[in-house]
Amino acid sequence: GQQVMQIPQYQHVQEGEDFTTYCNSSTTLSNIQWYKQRPGGHPVFLIQLVKSGEVKKQKRLTFQFGEAKKNSSLHITATQTTDVGSYFCAGVTASGTYKYIFGTGTRLKVLA
Amino acid sequence: DADVTQTPRNRITKTGKRIMLECSQTKGHDRMYWYRQDPGLGLRLIYYSFDVKDINKGEISDGYSVSRQAQAKFSLSLESAIPNQTALYFCATSDQRRQGGDTQYFGPGTRLTVL
Repeated sequence: GQQVMQIPQYQHVQEGEDFTTYCNSSTTLSNIQWYKQRPGGHPVFLIQLVKSGEVKKQKRLTFQFGEAKKNSSLHITATQTTDVGSYFCAGVTASGTYKYIFGTGTRLKVLA
Repeated sequence: DADVTQTPRNRITKTGKRIMLECSQTKGHDRMYWYRQDPGLGLRLIYYSFDVKDINKGEISDGYSVSRQAQAKFSLSLESAIPNQTALYFCATSDQRRQGGDTQYFGPGTRLTVL
């Protein structure tokens, strides 16, 4: 079936290091959203990307949507302990029955 | 998001019992969803509803049923709970009438344990 895989599954970084998570879909997506889930919390919307090749920035976070609209990335510059949590991508399939698929997630730990 | 509430927040039950999880929203959104999250896994869609008269199965609907009692309320039932339904359950909403309408807003979650 249609899948959205994220790599890496886990990442430990030293505070101040950069971090990137990659999101790869088996099918073309109409758009992609990114969510952050703090430990013990619920997913919280971060950003939406719609256009092929789109790049958006939120302070230290940079989001990119691939040209083929099948992949995306989230890059955090100079991580802080407040960045700890799981990051999920999610998107709507571009064709067929409406389907909103979440990625498998990347769990980030930041060591002080 | 405080606009999406779930009750109960925690529940421990026994195998074979019927359980209902409730979700309410004050966001005025038309769409509502139920997901389950297992440790180390992403979110898997159980059921979703685009409006009061519309109910759709997600990827893991077996063993679950839902009811959309009103635009603001969407409940999830486990007819006969089994241990592998132990998980964290999230309700979410979205508003397809708005730009960015696929964005989902989550409730705080219900931690369900089936013994």
